[in-house]
Amino acid sequence: DAGVTQSPTHLIKTRGQHVTLRCSPISGHKSVSWYQQVLGQGPQFIFQYYEKEERGRGNFPDRFSARQFPNYSSELNVNALLLGDSALYLCASSSRTGYTDTQYFGPGTRLTVL
Amino acid sequence: DAKTTQPPSMDCAEGRAANLPCNHSTISGNEYVYWYRQIHSQGPQYIIHGLKNNETNEMASLIITEDRKSSTLILPHATLRDTAVYYCIVRDGFGGSNYKLTFGKGTLLTVNP
Repeated sequence: DAGVTQSPTHLIKTRGQHVTLRCSPISGHKSVSWYQQVLGQGPQFIFQYYEKEERGRGNFPDRFSARQFPNYSSELNVNALLLGDSALYLCASSSRTGYTDTQYFGPGTRLTVL
Repeated sequence: DAKTTQPPSMDCAEGRAANLPCNHSTISGNEYVYWYRQIHSQGPQYIIHGLKNNETNEMASLIITEDRKSSTLILPHATLRDTAVYYCIVRDGFGGSNYKLTFGKGTLLTVNP
């Protein structure tokens, strides 16, 4: 089975621009989460969507938004890009196993803001 | 903040078992222990998780102490491809704030030839 896919793999933008990152979950997974990983740090949670509803949100400004589509794919949008938004953006999809669920990550999108 | 403490780095000889410790002294009854690893610039890879019993899969074994305040991830025969940052994460089950993973700084495991 195909894993989580993300597009594009790399992206270069300039300050003030906006960006849209895309994620396709593993087939059958209804939940998608987004994480930001700045160089040298662990991933930081941004959003989770389940059945197209926002389930959780991390400590990120309103410039960050996301949505989930009927086919469970998802987009992460970032407006008014800052240099500090340069990072690896990770998408994870999850399925329930018993009383918990396990998140499986995609390869990420490397965003560089100049 | 992450609820776990891990050593920043460890070394292991190729072919030997790698034992990665994790302290989670404030873990509560419905929280799971998850392990992920991240090879440079790739997405984190799920390894294993457990609640209170020891667990084993094709990648690793997870040993959780009886009081659940610490755990050890065991890679039985480490290879050079196991060189990565290993993250130990404590996470609620359903009904809690289980929707997110909170990553700490992890342990950089270096497997040497």
